Amino acid sequence: EVQLLESGGGLVQPGGSLRLSCAASGFTLYNYAMSWVRQSPGKGLEWVSVIYAGHGGTHYGDSLEGRFTVSRDNSQNTLYLQMDSLSPEDTAIYYCARDQRRGGAALWGFDSWGQGTLVTVSS
Amino acid sequence: QSALTQPPSASGSPGQSVTISCTGTSSDIGNYDYVSWYQQHPGKAPKLMIFEVIKRPSGVPDRFSGSKSGNTASLTVSGLQPEDEADYYCSSFSDNNGGIFGGGTKLTVL
Repeated sequence: EVQLLESGGGLVQPGGSLRLSCAASGFTLYNYAMSWVRQSPGKGLEWVSVIYAGHGGTHYGDSLEGRFTVSRDNSQNTLYLQMDSLSPEDTAIYYCARDQRRGGAALWGFDSWGQGTLVTVSS
Repeated sequence: QSALTQPPSASGSPGQSVTISCTGTSSDIGNYDYVSWYQQHPGKAPKLMIFEVIKRPSGVPDRFSGSKSGNTASLTVSGLQPEDEADYYCSSFSDNNGGIFGGGTKLTVL
């Protein structure tokens, strides 16, 4: 069974940093493009970043590159999101999501999601 | 890059059909067939309902269908059922080499 389990959320002060983790089970992370998607309280979904299968190339949403860094540890089958210079606008539930295609080009359809981890940026 | 444009709400009675639109630009929906739709119930993670514009993952009822014309994609839910009441989000790949979501549509089953 495919499972994604996020952790690492919490309360952080403006300007602070946080690292989120997404532990994958039931499949090999290396073989799939993985995205982070966030949802501010009561708001819609916002795509944050992607790390591609295999070569591990990355891309980020507007204004996030330089502050956020996505990575993965193949030995731990875990995805990460390092978030720096956080602001209250970054307050959201952060989900990791798996692209449905195994290997090759991503289909940009996310067939598995974690339960999300809440990040609150506040003084 | 602005979000894709969806109507904030839609509604229909049980058994009826409802269509939710999702308007983008030539940089996203108009240029790629990587359009997907997600259903989200309160407090839950999103669920993939449609991918590559028209395809349904296994387990998704065939009451759900997708289409695209130009820069606008659509999700149609036929034979509405009470459990279809949820928020629906469209998504597309875009020229910035990333994804983009719509603002979401709250579907109410009357």
